[in-house]
Amino acid sequence: EVPLLESGGGLVQPGGSLRLSCAASGFTFSSYAMTWVRQSPGKGLEWVASISGRGDVTEYADSVQGRFTISRDNSKNTVFLQMSSLRVEDTALYFCAKDSLLYVGRAYHSRWGQGTLVAVSS
Amino acid sequence: EIVLTQSPDTLSVSPGERATLSCRASQSVSSNFLAWYQQKPGQAPRLLIHTASDRGTATPDRFSGSGSGTDFTLTINRVDPEDFAVYYCQQYGSSPRTFGQGTRLDFK
Repeated sequence: EVPLLESGGGLVQPGGSLRLSCAASGFTFSSYAMTWVRQSPGKGLEWVASISGRGDVTEYADSVQGRFTISRDNSKNTVFLQMSSLRVEDTALYFCAKDSLLYVGRAYHSRWGQGTLVAVSS
Repeated sequence: EIVLTQSPDTLSVSPGERATLSCRASQSVSSNFLAWYQQKPGQAPRLLIHTASDRGTATPDRFSGSGSGTDFTLTINRVDPEDFAVYYCQQYGSSPRTFGQGTRLDFK
């Protein structure tokens, strides 16, 4: 197994911000795109954002475009998700996943972390 | 956006039986870039199948995937007690990558 360890989740008020981190190990981190996927309580899976291995290309779901920013630090084998203007509907378990390719898109998720819980509530 | 519809929502089987799960796409999935994931309660999803029919490196051979275009199937031959879980399909041939709503496999 290739560990992916998320952190940074918590309780935040609507309109607030939060920064998630995902530390990777056991593979050549910069050779793979990384993705965040979320799962609302009792619901299915929703792709959120992806970043290429070099960090030069990003993609976002329409539901988070303009509010969330994905980034990575290849020197620290870590990918981040900066979340701003949070809404109640952003409440979910956020998974970090390793894509099967260097480039964004057209890739499946070959490994997943255990997730970090984000709760947006007043 | 490609919408994936899985059926049935819940499938009840006994250990040792065959389970057949369906995933239908609202439009053709490019290059048959269709994956299946298994998720057990309290756990992260795990890749089972990619490119419609290719098993992941740790996927037991009782799991098989088939289909093309808009209709895909995950078959579990001789269901094992550890297979009771929720199964999701995902298309990754077009942006945005989308998931089906899931099929719950439970014990009859």
